[in-house]
Amino acid sequence: NAGVTQTPKFRVLKTGQSMTLLCAQDMNHEYMYWYRQDPGMGLRLIHYSVGEGTTAKGEVPDGYNVSRLKKQNFLLGLESAAPSQTSVYFCASRTITTGIYGYTFGSGTRLTVV
Amino acid sequence: GDSVTQMEGPVTLSEEAFLTINCTYTATGYPSLFWYVQYPGEGLQLLLKATKADDKGSNKGFEATYRKETTSFHLEKGSVQVSDSAVYFCALSDRTNAGKSTFGDGTTLTVKP
Repeated sequence: NAGVTQTPKFRVLKTGQSMTLLCAQDMNHEYMYWYRQDPGMGLRLIHYSVGEGTTAKGEVPDGYNVSRLKKQNFLLGLESAAPSQTSVYFCASRTITTGIYGYTFGSGTRLTVV
Repeated sequence: GDSVTQMEGPVTLSEEAFLTINCTYTATGYPSLFWYVQYPGEGLQLLLKATKADDKGSNKGFEATYRKETTSFHLEKGSVQVSDSAVYFCALSDRTNAGKSTFGDGTTLTVKP
């Protein structure tokens, strides 16, 4: 049981380049989330999805887009990368029983924008 | 909105010392509460949880009690080990808001032999 898998694990982008981060979960979870983690700032929610075909904005959505075409996959896109997007990105998922169960996290993607 | 406040770190302890990491929260609803642990280079892992007042979550020697009257969920361990060195995050989840969680800023624990 792989849980939540994120690819890639590391990436260096030049300012203005685009990329897509992939999150895949094999637990049949309805809810999926993208967070970014920055030193001293905890985790901040970028976008989330409550089911296939649905997405919503979180706390810091600007500069990112997401898609959830399949239940098991949640993609995070950066259309024009900026140095301020240098961060560690975590994907998480949970079952639909809201609030009672914790998240299952992926191992993260470390992104550097130069 | 919801918020979580953790004691500022870093925290450095000697092996076998007693650990307390304070966590308080503000929430409009009746949240579930969680502690996560993050080891270097890894994602967060759920350590323990509590879903109602006076519940005690426990795992791997760690404990935390949901105190609604003081809006707190302090993490404790009686005797820490070097292997407990990690970053600990307190979090809450609003049952009515798409299961979104709000996290504290994290507390770095270093245990020295």
